[in-house]
Amino acid sequence: QVQLVQSGTEVKKPGASVKVSCKASGYTFTGYYIHWVRQAPGQGLEWMGWINPNSGDTDYAQKFQGRVTMTRDTSISTAYMELSRLRSDDTAVYYCARTRIAAAGGMDVWGQGTTVTVSS
Amino acid sequence: DIQMTQSPSTLSASVGDRVTITCRASQSISSWLAWYQQKPGKAPKLLIYKASSLETGVPSRFSGSGSGTEFTLTISSLQPDDFATYYCQQYISYSRTFGQGTKVEIK
Repeated sequence: QVQLVQSGTEVKKPGASVKVSCKASGYTFTGYYIHWVRQAPGQGLEWMGWINPNSGDTDYAQKFQGRVTMTRDTSISTAYMELSRLRSDDTAVYYCARTRIAAAGGMDVWGQGTTVTVSS
Repeated sequence: DIQMTQSPSTLSASVGDRVTITCRASQSISSWLAWYQQKPGKAPKLLIYKASSLETGVPSRFSGSGSGTEFTLTISSLQPDDFATYYCQQYISYSRTFGQGTKVEIK
């Protein structure tokens, strides 16, 4: 079945970096953007950016420019999101989700989420 | 960036009620709007795309309408499984933004 499976829980110290993976299965990986969305405890959804797995092109929310890097490895159908210079307010659940490249639409498949805790 | 504003932030309703949530965009987004449902501890679920198209498998009691800057999500007869938080999201621009969410709670 179509699914996105993310890597496990991370605990990091302020100033460190975290890299979260998102493995796709059940569909053509290069046919869908992968978006990253985060949710701080008790807060709403915040879009971070996307990567086009076919071209490697990316677009990042202005808030995260310079701190986030999204990459992919098409050989293993996996996308990655790396966030650097972590702060306590980066503590959140990070989700990956897909949208079709050929036709704009909503995020129809989501990963299970990865909890990232930033604490000294 | 395009700002999305939902109202109300919280809504108290009973099973069987008709519920309407509004989402306003800071500039026209045509019909490039999606609605999601999220339950505690779970990933969001796509309900509606292109403002009014029902995602496969979503019950027909959910409907969406609107275009330009004002949109609504309606639940025609609220069911116990519908108590959750709902988010709108625009996708006219490469940079996507979500509304702040509307929590539907039991009255």
